[in-house]
Amino acid sequence: ETGVTQTPRHLVMGMTNKKSLKCEQHLGHNAMYWYKQSAKKPLELMFVYSLEERVENNSVPSRFSPECPNSSHLFLHLHTLQPEDSALYLCASSQEGGTALNEKLFFGSGTQLSVL
Amino acid sequence: GENVEQHPSTLSVQEGDSAVIKCTYSDSASNYFPWYKQELGKRPQLIIDIRSNVGEKKDQRIAVTLNKTAKHFSLHITETQPEDSAVYFCAARRRALTFGSGTRLQVQP
Repeated sequence: ETGVTQTPRHLVMGMTNKKSLKCEQHLGHNAMYWYKQSAKKPLELMFVYSLEERVENNSVPSRFSPECPNSSHLFLHLHTLQPEDSALYLCASSQEGGTALNEKLFFGSGTQLSVL
Repeated sequence: GENVEQHPSTLSVQEGDSAVIKCTYSDSASNYFPWYKQELGKRPQLIIDIRSNVGEKKDQRIAVTLNKTAKHFSLHITETQPEDSAVYFCAARRRALTFGSGTRLQVQP
């Protein structure tokens, strides 16, 4: 499959569960991102990995833990989430050059997360 | 940090009419302004972008204008078609992208 793929598409979890979201990009890009999309709110940047090194972390709660083992794969590990964490979690990738961070993002289809 | 305001939140036009969506940003050092389109149940997709050294950019029926002095930029869609119906997001970047809250465009056939 080409582009950016995310699994699972849907996830329901309890507040005490531990789960992981997976993202894989087939575009040869060198930067990957996690965004949170809640109803009626702007897309919120959570994490950025450029050349497998985390370069941005917008004060996201520690119950969200990212992992980027290589330039093609990105994970978001979830534990002890709250109901307000229910949202669409989008992964994106881009080809970064110098200071050109966050340009021409290619998004995945997202994981719709529900926390009960 | 950067703050991006987007208006209107919803917009309904007749097929063939033009649609305009406006955004303002707060950080005068922002230098890159993309627009994304998200159809219902689908991923956001980049449709056009502009850098701060350019005042206007066109791509077929879509155009973006930038006024650096006033710190606002707009998306113009001409000859709208039903397939233009979607949520449109603007964004501004100094280092990281900050998105607007989105405009739901409905094109009535």
